[in-house]
Amino acid sequence: GQNIDQPTEMTATEGAIVQINCTYQTSGFNGLFWYQQHAGEAPTFLSYNVLDGLEEKGRFSSFLSRSKGYSYLLLKELQMKDSASYLCAVRDSNYQLIWGAGTKLIIKP
Amino acid sequence: GAGVSQSPSNKVTEKGKDVELRCDPISGHTALYWYRQSLGQGLEFLIYFQGNSAPDKSGLPSDRFSAERTGGSVSTLTIQRTQQEDSAVYLCASSLAGREGPKNIQYFGAGTRLSVL
Repeated sequence: GQNIDQPTEMTATEGAIVQINCTYQTSGFNGLFWYQQHAGEAPTFLSYNVLDGLEEKGRFSSFLSRSKGYSYLLLKELQMKDSASYLCAVRDSNYQLIWGAGTKLIIKP
Repeated sequence: GAGVSQSPSNKVTEKGKDVELRCDPISGHTALYWYRQSLGQGLEFLIYFQGNSAPDKSGLPSDRFSAERTGGSVSTLTIQRTQQEDSAVYLCASSLAGREGPKNIQYFGAGTRLSVL
């Protein structure tokens, strides 16, 4: 079967750095997405990786290793507004998105 | 509006009743998706529409679930004879092109929270 694993919950301090990991086992691979979802709101796109390596976008970076079936989302200079769930999703061989259960990130002052 | 719009935002119904959930995608987006989000689980794919092609219904959990997309725009998800296990948030997304496109970003609505009593 297909599986996306990410930690259920993480806690970090305002101003710090946090890394959210995602491991996957899917039928094929056609890219990996990270989305942010605040409670009760729509998921919003953060990043996309299809080749190995690091993609940087402001305070957020995303890394992919296809050989290891592994990605992480790195958030720097954490702000209180970064408190949200972070969803990892992999596009499989049928171009369907397979989603992890999400990581709830709690930021403390 | 600029984003994906879903209505109602909340729906409470009694077991056995039918419900209709509506999605207005972003104007010009050819692809539309329905997902179900339950507590502690990843988004569950339900159905995918792309242009005039036959929809991919492979994710619909039972024949009580159906969806249509009229005029290539608005979509309605219908759940007949609702059961308590249908309680979840139903999310709709749209994308500019079909899901096979490179870096195909899906834009989501805020969802309809369905509670079946």
